[in-house]
Amino acid sequence: RKEVEQDPGPFNVPEGATVAFNCTYSNSASQSFFWYRQDCRKEPKLLMSVYSSGNEDGRFTAQLNRASQYISLLIRDSKLSDSATYLCVVSRAAGNKLTFGGGTRVLVKP
Amino acid sequence: DAGVIQSPRHEVTEMGQEVTLRCKPISGHNSLFWYRQTMMRGLELLIYFNNNVPIDDSGMPEDRFSAKMPNASFSTLKIQPSEPRDSAVYFCASSLRGHSSNQPQHFGDGTRLSIL
Repeated sequence: RKEVEQDPGPFNVPEGATVAFNCTYSNSASQSFFWYRQDCRKEPKLLMSVYSSGNEDGRFTAQLNRASQYISLLIRDSKLSDSATYLCVVSRAAGNKLTFGGGTRVLVKP
Repeated sequence: DAGVIQSPRHEVTEMGQEVTLRCKPISGHNSLFWYRQTMMRGLELLIYFNNNVPIDDSGMPEDRFSAKMPNASFSTLKIQPSEPRDSAVYFCASSLRGHSSNQPQHFGDGTRLSIL
């Protein structure tokens, strides 16, 4: 079983709609969580950190469920520019390496 | 602000040749990471350094791969001899090493490597 698992998608989303997807992690000792975004043929870029109480950044909302060991990302009012692959990232401890999921592909269509 | 700088952006070479990828991390960052990304395997961590010291190289595929960080502003990833299965995008990333939590990593543009 992979340490970080994501539905690869693609999630086809009408422009203006809401889309949400999860990521599960296997190591209960994981401490830090992030969502990264990667556009086609580009480098991954940090979208947002995920905090225990959940957090919001504009149209993006991230949630963490430690009991069930998953994090989620919700995108409201989807824009065409939100089309990308979203990478779930976890880390076990401070100063430790990050482990990336395989990514969830989102396609926003007019 | 200058981000992580990688060179070359693209490399095409014949199998058996030595390949050297270069990375300049963001100034002030004390952790540096080398990743490989392929369609089949996704983004894989090869090796990372803290304060120029290799911490975990368990992701390095085999002895043909080696990485060095002679100073805080430069790192290399070398493949010798190269093989077609090494074809991938190689990313370098850097971050500040946090004491209580992990700081996000900032990626370079990547080197697109093709071994013929």
